[in-house]
Amino acid sequence: QKEVEQNSGPLSVPEGAIASLNCTYSDRVSQSFFWYRQYSGKSPELIMSIYSNGDKEDGRFTAQLNKASQYVSLLIRDSQPSDSATYLCAVISLSSASKIIFGSGTRLSIRP
Amino acid sequence: DTAVSQTPKYLVTQMGNDKSIKCEQNLGHDTMYWYKQDSKKFLKIMFSYNNKELIINETVPNRFSPKSPDKAHLNLHINSLELGDSAVYFCASSLTRTSTDTQYFGPGTRLTVL
Repeated sequence: QKEVEQNSGPLSVPEGAIASLNCTYSDRVSQSFFWYRQYSGKSPELIMSIYSNGDKEDGRFTAQLNKASQYVSLLIRDSQPSDSATYLCAVISLSSASKIIFGSGTRLSIRP
Repeated sequence: DTAVSQTPKYLVTQMGNDKSIKCEQNLGHDTMYWYKQDSKKFLKIMFSYNNKELIINETVPNRFSPKSPDKAHLNLHINSLELGDSAVYFCASSLTRTSTDTQYFGPGTRLTVL
C-alpha cells in the first residue's frame, strides 16, 4: 500500500463548479497535511496546510481533514481555467522522521 | 528577488558522466532539501540538511552526494550517471525543520541522461 494515495485523474470539472480532490494516507500518526499545486513544467507551490480535524478555508480553497478515516481533501469553489494543474497531497508523520511524503498527484482540468 | 534558485535549468549528458546541480536560497532558511520527480510526477525526498548537517538521507544510490558549504547552499553531485537518473530534481527550503514550516521549491533542473 502506498503511503499517500491519490487518484491520478484527469479530473474534468466545468468552469464555475466545485472541484473535489481526495487523498488517503496509511500512517495513523501523521500530523501535518499539505496540498501543493504544480503547473506543467513548474515547481510545486503550497496552497493549503491543515493540522487538525475539520475544515480550513482560504479564499476559494477548503481543506478537510478526517484523521479517523485517514483522509484529507481539497475543495476548490468557483473553479477557474487557471486552476487546471496537478494537485499533490503531502503528509508528514512522526514515524517518518518528519520527512514529507507526497502522493503522485491528481491532474485537474477545468473546462470552459 | 527572494527565492530558491537552481542551476542549471536543463542538463543533458551521457551515461557514465559526473554532473552537479547547484541550489541557493536567500530566504534565510535553516533547512534545505533535494527531491526527485520522475516521469510519472511522483515527487520523492532524497536528502535534507539543517544548518549544514545532514538530517534526512533516503535510500538513494551513493552515486548521489549532497554538499552544503553553508546553510544557504545545497549542491547535488551525481557520479556515473545512469539512464534511470533522468528526472526533474527540485531543491527546496524551509525556515526550520519543523514539520509545520512551509517548504519553498526552486524551479527544478531537468536532467536527461542519454
